Amino acid sequence: AQRVTQPEKLLSVFKGAPVELKCNYSYSGSPELFWYVQYSRQRLQLLLRHISRESIKGFTADLNKGETSFHLKKPFAQEEDSAMYYCALRDKSYGNKLVFGAGTILRVKS
Amino acid sequence: DVKVTQSSRYLVKRTGEKVFLECVQDMDHENMFWYRQDPGLGLRLIYFSYDVKMKEKGDIPEGYSVSREKKERFSLILESASTNQTSMYLCASSLRSSGAQNGYTFGSGTRLTVV
Repeated sequence: AQRVTQPEKLLSVFKGAPVELKCNYSYSGSPELFWYVQYSRQRLQLLLRHISRESIKGFTADLNKGETSFHLKKPFAQEEDSAMYYCALRDKSYGNKLVFGAGTILRVKS
Repeated sequence: DVKVTQSSRYLVKRTGEKVFLECVQDMDHENMFWYRQDPGLGLRLIYFSYDVKMKEKGDIPEGYSVSREKKERFSLILESASTNQTSMYLCASSLRSSGAQNGYTFGSGTRLTVV
């Protein structure tokens, strides 16, 4: 079954430290993965998608099919990065629905 | 700029009441979705719809139903609200062929409390 695992409920780092939010997936096919972010009192929004190979707000994520991972990384955390982050997998076999992980709260301390 | 609108930000209902959560999008998207968001569980799909009058069960449809009479509107119905349906409900929409391109657009959520 399709599944997304985010092992950390909370990640707390100091400003300027590197950040890595972990995401592992289970999918029988060619995966499409996304990271969504929800800042305090804001709606959930797309941060980045693996097929675009983009860097948004300094964040990058590389799809590693061998390790079935899609970890989100940023070399230097900023206080405004504090938010809830969700990893998501597109289930192409059934309606293009997104399957979400449980989410990781990132807290960047000054 | 708001593209997916959920009619209520907060709702408090009594056990056994019939509850309607409304969602409207103005982007002419074919797909619409209802998720509930709970701490430690992430987002879980309740129902989704490909098109007008089309609906499909998600992962946790029990106790819920939906209605899509017009393309822009997708309603979630709690037939008889129970306390375990207290949650944040998120509506989202996407183009039929999306996902790879633009992902979903989410509403701001409705926090439902059942007492």
